[in-house]
Amino acid sequence: GIQVEQSPPDLILQEGANSTLRCNFSDSVNNLQWFHQNPWGQLINLFYIPSGTKQNGRLSATTVATERYSLLYISSSQTTDSGVYFCAVERKDSSYKLIFGSGTRLLVRP
Amino acid sequence: DAGITQSPRHKVTETGTPVTLRCHQTENHRYMYWYRQDPGHGLRLIHYSYGVKDTDKGEVSDGYSVSRSKTEDFLLTLESATSSQTSVYFCAISDLPIGGLYEQYFGPGTRLTVT
Repeated sequence: GIQVEQSPPDLILQEGANSTLRCNFSDSVNNLQWFHQNPWGQLINLFYIPSGTKQNGRLSATTVATERYSLLYISSSQTTDSGVYFCAVERKDSSYKLIFGSGTRLLVRP
Repeated sequence: DAGITQSPRHKVTETGTPVTLRCHQTENHRYMYWYRQDPGHGLRLIHYSYGVKDTDKGEVSDGYSVSRSKTEDFLLTLESATSSQTSVYFCAISDLPIGGLYEQYFGPGTRLTVT
């Protein structure tokens, strides 16, 4: 099956720093989503981005489907950005089923 | 936020007992999903539904069954709970894709402990 690899697995930042999280996938995909899981366990939709670039405030994401990777950029990080960031993809031959990576755990220190 | 609720939110049960988790949506979305989340594994799909009474298996379906008798409700049953089923369970929903595009939205999760 399709493999979804996220890097780095863990990241510690000082408040105000910028970061880039990466998601590599091993096969062609129909769809890709980025999620943030906050410290209370809630999964929050960040981006639906099967290709191209999107921005939402301090966060932006880019997916290069032909090269099978996606990047999530966090600028001017805040302590509320802490949590786990997941990338999830849907294979081209799948029926709306997402395959998740193992996540990047981010800690932003004040 | 998508209207998705899960019940119960926390449950402790004993090995060998049956357990049913409920997912309820108010969005009238066609697709519903059950995932489990374990340390080091991200989320893994257990079962999903593509309509009332239409369900299919995901990647970790052994030991679980599901039912969907109404659009708004998707039930996950652990037929005989085992300690390996201790996990956090998430429900998700999505609607018919528009132009091939769609998103999944997640409920708040149910923490299940099997002793």
